Amino acid sequence: EVQLVESGGGLVNPGGSLRLSCVASGLTFTNAWMTWVRQAPGKGLEWVGRIKSKSDGGTTDYATPVKGRFTISRDDSRNMVYLQMNSLKTMDTAVYYCSTDSPLGSSDYWGQGTLVTVSS
Amino acid sequence: DIQVTQSPSSLSASVGDRVTITCRASQSISRHLSWYQQKPGKAPNLLIYAAFSLQRGVPSRFSGSGSGTDFTLTITSLQPEDFATYHCQQTYSTPYTFGQGTKLEIK
Repeated sequence: EVQLVESGGGLVNPGGSLRLSCVASGLTFTNAWMTWVRQAPGKGLEWVGRIKSKSDGGTTDYATPVKGRFTISRDDSRNMVYLQMNSLKTMDTAVYYCSTDSPLGSSDYWGQGTLVTVSS
Repeated sequence: DIQVTQSPSSLSASVGDRVTITCRASQSISRHLSWYQQKPGKAPNLLIYAAFSLQRGVPSRFSGSGSGTDFTLTITSLQPEDFATYHCQQTYSTPYTFGQGTKLEIK
């Protein structure tokens, strides 16, 4: 059974930084493309970004609102994917989910989410 | 970025009804559209991928159709557990944008 568990959320001041982690089990992580999706309180889902497997280049893609501020990385030895968030804004307040990408790009497995609150 | 417009934003229906939710992409996305169900306080759950392929374990009362720019999620014979929020997502090109969501409520 595939399981994804996020951690690292919390309260941070505007302009601050935070790193989220997601540990995966029940899959061959080295082959997995991993995605971060967020959901602001009472709002819809927003795709944040994705990292491909190292064998597929390990490249990343980002949504326009986070490009240049957020960085996704992975540690295949630990089955972990990370979301480094810098220069945080109040609009970044959301539950952040990690998910696995199916071959056609849809997110087929999801974690339970971790809440990030950006506020002074 | 490809924009995805989902309608309606909310919908009231009764158990046993048939409901339809639509998504329209701002450019052709072939059949690269997925549908998710989300219940309050929970992560989304993939229902349909590639416009009409049912994810393993999803009941057959859920179906998807469409290609190009216009897509539909249909739920036949609504069950009590189907009252939730539904999201569509284009996976044709990054960033993989979502629709605004449709909240399906009990009438």
